[in-house]
Amino acid sequence: AQSVTQPDIHITVSEGASLELRCNYSYGATPYLFWYVQSPGQGLQLLLKYFSGDTLVQGIKGFEAEFKRSQSSFNLRKPSVHWSDAAEYFCAVRSGGGADGLTFGKGTHLIIQP
Amino acid sequence: IAGITQAPTSQILAAGRRMTLRCTQDMRHNAMYWYRQDLGLGLRLIHYSNTAGTTGKGEVPDGYSVSRANTDDFPLTLASAVPSQTSVYFCASSAFSGSNTGELFFGEGSRLTVL
Repeated sequence: AQSVTQPDIHITVSEGASLELRCNYSYGATPYLFWYVQSPGQGLQLLLKYFSGDTLVQGIKGFEAEFKRSQSSFNLRKPSVHWSDAAEYFCAVRSGGGADGLTFGKGTHLIIQP
Repeated sequence: IAGITQAPTSQILAAGRRMTLRCTQDMRHNAMYWYRQDLGLGLRLIHYSNTAGTTGKGEVPDGYSVSRANTDDFPLTLASAVPSQTSVYFCASSAFSGSNTGELFFGEGSRLTVL
């Protein structure tokens, strides 16, 4: 069965610094991968997705992620974080044939220091 | 643009009571899902539906039931609530098809407390 691991429960970054959130997946076939962001008290918003083609994908809010098949990773990056980026970030992989939704990691809580 | 509407936003419920969380989408997506979110556990799939008239069990289906009478509505019912069902519940939808990436669109969530 597919699974997603986000090794970091919490990450603290200074405003203006670069960010990398780690995500590792376990899936037998070519994965469809997603990053979602959740602000406090809100639902989840899609940041970006990968399903084929260029392994570096661009998303909203200045985020990007790189798919590395050899490392089974799909890490999320941003060159310079803003205080408004403080949120919970979830990595997800499409389950099976896709009909039964996405499998999510447990999330990484991002704290921005002034 | 409403997208997905969930109700109620928040509810406190006595153990043993029956509760239905409502979910309506206006995007004509064929697939719908219910997840629960718990601190430290992320989002776990409760039930899903690929099309009206069909439903399936997710990772944590026990104590929950769903129905999909039409494309737009996907209610989640707790027949007899227990404290372990205290959680935030998210409804989601997807225009799932063989060639689609399976991106999910989420509602704002329903916070349920069972005492």
